[in-house]
Parts: sequence; structure tokens; C-alpha cells
Amino acid sequence: GNSVTQMEGPVTLSEEAFLTINCTYTATGYPSLFWYVQYPGEGLQLLLKATKADDKGSNKGFEATYRKETTSFHLEKGSVQVSDSAVYFCALRGNYGQNFVFGPGTRLSVLP
Amino acid sequence: DTGVSQDPRHKITKRGQNVTFRCDPISEHNRLYWYRQTLGQGPEFLTYFQNEAQLEKSRLLSDRFSAERPKGSFSTLEIQRTEQGDSAMYLCASSLLGGEVTDTQYFGPGTRLTVL
Repeated sequence: GNSVTQMEGPVTLSEEAFLTINCTYTATGYPSLFWYVQYPGEGLQLLLKATKADDKGSNKGFEATYRKETTSFHLEKGSVQVSDSAVYFCALRGNYGQNFVFGPGTRLSVLP
Repeated sequence: DTGVSQDPRHKITKRGQNVTFRCDPISEHNRLYWYRQTLGQGPEFLTYFQNEAQLEKSRLLSDRFSAERPKGSFSTLEIQRTEQGDSAMYLCASSLLGGEVTDTQYFGPGTRLTVL
């Protein structure tokens, strides 16, 4: 079945540091890929998405590129802020179903 | 606020009791999803509706769980004879089939269930 693997957290960075959160997936066909973010005390919010190979999703300074050859969708940001502290979830939606498969989440803490 | 809303936000119950949660999706959304999230894990899919039809159910959804969306608007998730293992955050999400941005699910704040 479909699955998503994320790097384990927590990740602690200083403000303005470079961020990478790794995500790899297993799926048949051509899934759509997503990053969701959950800020403290809030619900999940879509951060960015990519629906086909080599697409790049971007939002709020975050980027992720759909790499079919490596089955990856790593999240990056060039300069993190304290306000980026949250839990980040990688997810996929397969071709043949409407439900999402989420990774376990990676907690990011950014220190001033 | 026109986002997804869930009620109640918190529920504490004793083992063996029945509980019911409500989800109100974004008004024009025709798809509605239920997920369960335990501490330190990502959401796990339970079931989804397209309008009033329940189209897919996870094997996680035991026969103690039932979901309805009678008029294709709000949905309820009932858990009968609750067990301590049912303690989790129950998330609802909605999306619009055929909209400009398909497959984007918008999540509610969740209902946190604690079974004593």
C-alpha cells in the first residue's frame, strides 16, 4: 500500500538557518504530494502541493520538488523564522483513492 | 469564519459510553473526510463522503464506528462502547470535487476524545 516516510524530529534550528525536512514515499502510479503544517493549538493547514513529477510547490518561502526518480518531496526553506515553529506533515493522495496517507510529522523549533 | 468547524472540541467519557462528534464542512464542499490522529503520529484516514454517499471506509473503522452525512452537508461520527484505545484527536476535512484547486483538503480544529 501507499506510505510516507519523514525524517524524525524534533528539529531545532536558529533563526535564519536553512531548513530541510526529508520526505520519501511509496505509491503505485502517480500520486499527488502535499506538505501540511500544524501550528501550536491550530488545525492542519495546507502549505504546498505538487501533482506531477518535477513540479515545484512553493508557499511562504517554503519549497518542495516532486522527484519521481527518487520518490521524494523534501521540504526546504532558505531562512527560517521563529514563527515557522510547528509540526510539518508530508502526505500523498494516490491515483486510485481519495484518502490521504500522512507521514508521522516532524516537529520544528526555531530559536531566536 | 467559513472554515471547517467541529463540535465539541474536547470530550471526556467513560469506557463503554457512546459519543457523537459533528463536523460542518466549508459550505460549497461536496467531499468530507474523517481522520484519527494519535499523539506523535500523522492523521490516519477513517472514511469519506461525496455528498451524502459514504464512498470509502478504512479497515481502521471497526463496527463500533459509524459515520453519516444525511443531507450532504454536516456529518456525524459516532463511536459506540468506547474503549481507552479510542482516545485520540478526530479530524474532519472537506474538499471540492471539480473546483479550481482539486484534492486540497481543508481541516477543522479537531475533537479531542479522552476515554477514561
